Amino acid sequence: AQSVAQPEDQVNVAEGNPLTVKCTYSVSGNPYLFWYVQYPNRGLQFLLKYITGDNLVKGSYGFEAEFNKSQTSFHLKKPSALVSDSALYFCAVRGLGGATNKLIFGTGTLLAVQP
Amino acid sequence: EAEVAQSPRYKITEKSQAVAFWCDPISGHATLYWYRQILGQGPELLVQFQDESVVDDSQLPKDRFSAERLKGVDSTLKIQPAELGDSAMYLCASSFLQGSGELFFGEGSRLTVL
Repeated sequence: AQSVAQPEDQVNVAEGNPLTVKCTYSVSGNPYLFWYVQYPNRGLQFLLKYITGDNLVKGSYGFEAEFNKSQTSFHLKKPSALVSDSALYFCAVRGLGGATNKLIFGTGTLLAVQP
Repeated sequence: EAEVAQSPRYKITEKSQAVAFWCDPISGHATLYWYRQILGQGPELLVQFQDESVVDDSQLPKDRFSAERLKGVDSTLKIQPAELGDSAMYLCASSFLQGSGELFFGEGSRLTVL
C-alpha cells in the first residue's frame, strides 16, 4: 500500500536560514509525489510535484524539493526562510486506487520561522 | 483568480442532528473531492466524483454520510446523525484532470459536534 511519512512534527528555523522539511514514501512502481501548504484556518495549496525527469523540482514561493529514489525521500527545501513561510506542510503520494489515483497525505510538519 | 467555494465556514451542532456542507468547484473542473481533516492529521479522502458519478467512496461512512453532485457541478456532503467523532475540517477540492494530483482546495468547513 502507498504511504508517506513525515518524521518531524515541527521544524524550527531562523529567518534567512535554509530550511528542510522531510518526507519519505512507500509506493509500488514509479512515485508521483506532491507538497502542499496549509495556512491557519485555510485549505491546502499546491506547492510542487514530481512526476518524472529532473530530481530537483521547483515550485511556488521559492520552494523546491529533491527526489531521491535510493532513499525513497522527497524533502522540501528553501534556501532562505521567511517568517511568512510559517505554516503546516503536507507531503502526499498518489495512490493506485483503481480509477481514482487518490492522494494519500502525510500527517504534516509545522514549520515555524523565527524572526 | 478562480476559487473553490465552501459553506458554511463554521458549523456547531449537537450530536444526533443533521448537518450539510456545500461546495462549488472551479468552473470546468470535472473532478471533485471531499476530504476530512481531523486536528493534527493529514486530509483523508471521503468521496471523489468524476462529473456526477462517484468513483471512490471507500472511506465514506455510508451509514451516516452521504454525498451528491447531481448536475456534475456543485456538491453537498451530509451527515445524519452527527456524532462527537465527526468534529473535523471538511475540505472540498477540485481538479481539471482526474489523477493529476494537483488539487485546488476550498477554505474548508469546520464542524464541531457537542
